[in-house]
Amino acid sequence: SAVISQKPSRDICQRGTSLTIQCQVDSQVTMMFWYRQQPGQSLTLIATANQGSEATYESGFVIDKFPISRPNLTFSTLTVSNMSPEDSSIYLCSVGWDYEQYFGPGTRLTVT
Amino acid sequence: KNQVEQSPQSLIILEGKNCTLQCNYTVSPFSNLRWYKQDTGRGPVSLTIMTFSENTKSNGRYTATLDADTKQSSLHITASQLSDSASYICVVREYSGGGADGLTFGKGTHLIIQP
Repeated sequence: SAVISQKPSRDICQRGTSLTIQCQVDSQVTMMFWYRQQPGQSLTLIATANQGSEATYESGFVIDKFPISRPNLTFSTLTVSNMSPEDSSIYLCSVGWDYEQYFGPGTRLTVT
Repeated sequence: KNQVEQSPQSLIILEGKNCTLQCNYTVSPFSNLRWYKQDTGRGPVSLTIMTFSENTKSNGRYTATLDADTKQSSLHITASQLSDSASYICVVREYSGGGADGLTFGKGTHLIIQP
């Protein structure tokens, strides 16, 4: 199993600013995943963060908007850059294997 | 395109009653299907995971079924409690052998238990 913590748990930010979300896992993992959950929608994968290499972004997400760091096997950060109200969502960090997936508690972001 | 459809979108039942949530999927090739419970303000927590050969799996008052032929799953909650109020998300994993998460998420069923 894996226990995941995220910081901050929530934030209210102004348009045009950036927010960095931290994700800490209690065990070493190769891949960490970042998801976005917009109101009333399913989880959408933003990117996969591999330690020691560039993150892999899904269609519709770009590194300039969502830069990711993965300095070691237990930690990752996601930055939401130049925010607009459309970025208001819950952002979730996750780790997983073939038969299990664990999620952090999420960061609820509101952009005004 | 892989899809996971859940119904109903929302459901309100009285405490102590039973309910069944539905999940239909088109994900192929299929690896496994998971049901998650997501409390408000929290991340999803796994309830059950089922592979191709499993038809039924229980976790306390939660019982999941899987029909891999018709690509349908259900989650049955028995003797509901107020703490069951949450969103229930059906997630299907594609047999991909690595790379991205291989997961397709449903939008969830928002369940409210009333006293």
